Amino acid sequence: DAGVTQSPTHLIKTRGQQVTLRCSPKSGHDTVSWYQQALGQGPQFIFQYYEEEERQRGNFPDRFSGHQFPNYSSELNVNALLLGDSALYLCASSFEGLVVGYTFGSGTRLTVV
Amino acid sequence: GIQVEQSPPDLILQEGANSTLRCNFSDSVNNLQWFHQNPWGQLINLFYIPSGTKQNGRLSATTVATERYSLLYISSSQTTDSGVYFCAAINTGGFKTIFGAGTRLFVKA
Repeated sequence: DAGVTQSPTHLIKTRGQQVTLRCSPKSGHDTVSWYQQALGQGPQFIFQYYEEEERQRGNFPDRFSGHQFPNYSSELNVNALLLGDSALYLCASSFEGLVVGYTFGSGTRLTVV
Repeated sequence: GIQVEQSPPDLILQEGANSTLRCNFSDSVNNLQWFHQNPWGQLINLFYIPSGTKQNGRLSATTVATERYSLLYISSSQTTDSGVYFCAAINTGGFKTIFGAGTRLFVKA
């Protein structure tokens, strides 16, 4: 049974560019949440997608956007990249947003130069 | 919004020692979880514990929701316990998970 899969694992981008990160949830899960984890800090909630809609959003600018597809997979898009966007981006999946069974992927390490 | 505070921020143990990690949270929460992040960045769910006590091997956790704190106990620590331990909470009626800053644990052989 596959867990949460994220791609790519590492990425280097230049300031001002745009990036798309991808997440496939664990089998049986229908909710995807995205987090940003800067070095030495705890994960920060970006947003959660359920039934292809953004259900709740954290304190992130509109440069951060997302999408959920009918197969429950999700994308995180970041426009106009800043050096401060360099971080580990984590995806977590769950069933109907329930916390029980919350499962994280291994993350995408984004470096902005 | 809710705030989650963890202590201590750093902890160094000799293998075999016991330890207690604390998590204080503000406002009302209907979910409290403990996670372990290994050196490769993978977050593993240790406990979902909105209240009461749970045990899993050498690890146990207790949450006293009325007093807004949770404790994670690690007994007979092993080098593989090293990493960062996070507690996280979701405010009642919401879906936003708030993580603490973590406790960085290093277990020496």
